[in-house]
Amino acid sequence: KQEVTQIPAALSVPEGENLVLNCSFTDSAIYNLQWFRQDPGKGLTSLLLIQSSQREQTSGRLNASLDKSSGRSTLYIAASQPGDSATYLCAVRWETSGSRLTFGEGTQLTVNP
Amino acid sequence: DTEVTQTPKHLVMGMTNKKSLKCEQHMGHRAMYWYKQKAKKPPELMFVYSYEKLSINESVPSRFSPECPNSSLLNLHLHALQPEDSALYLCASSLLDRAYEQYFGPGTRLTVT
Repeated sequence: KQEVTQIPAALSVPEGENLVLNCSFTDSAIYNLQWFRQDPGKGLTSLLLIQSSQREQTSGRLNASLDKSSGRSTLYIAASQPGDSATYLCAVRWETSGSRLTFGEGTQLTVNP
Repeated sequence: DTEVTQTPKHLVMGMTNKKSLKCEQHMGHRAMYWYKQKAKKPPELMFVYSYEKLSINESVPSRFSPECPNSSLLNLHLHALQPEDSALYLCASSLLDRAYEQYFGPGTRLTVT
């Protein structure tokens, strides 16, 4: 069964820390992987899209890596700020699933001033 | 401009009402999606339209009826809903299908009484 898991479910850090959010998936035949953030009661904001042929993508203080063989992706946030507080969702498109995204349950991040 | 708009922001309806949710994008995207999201859960895919044709229907009850009148608009018609249908309904779009990022709207918060 194709599943996406995110650990931890919640994370609280002091401002300024560098942190890593983890995403694992059960089937390595992925097409691409997308990271989102969601503020409470709001829609999803796309952060980064990594194609299966790529190893990493960067945008500002964010860096996402992809290791298909081990079934893992990580989202690295440098110099965290209180404004980074949100739920971060990892979503996978498998080669066999067309445009369908399978989401993890998310990691709720709190950055304390 | 990477904006997907949704109206209304909030909707309260009785179980006998008929209402519609609207989604619009002007990015030239040709794939559009409806998702349902319950509290503290990831979004669940409901429908996918590709080139204005329904390409995925995730066995959603017939009380939800999608419509794609043109490439920029996506509607979700609601009729005889149940209280358990109360959720955040999210619309998304992407340039084509699976190779491209999905961009989400802010959602409609639906409450069925």
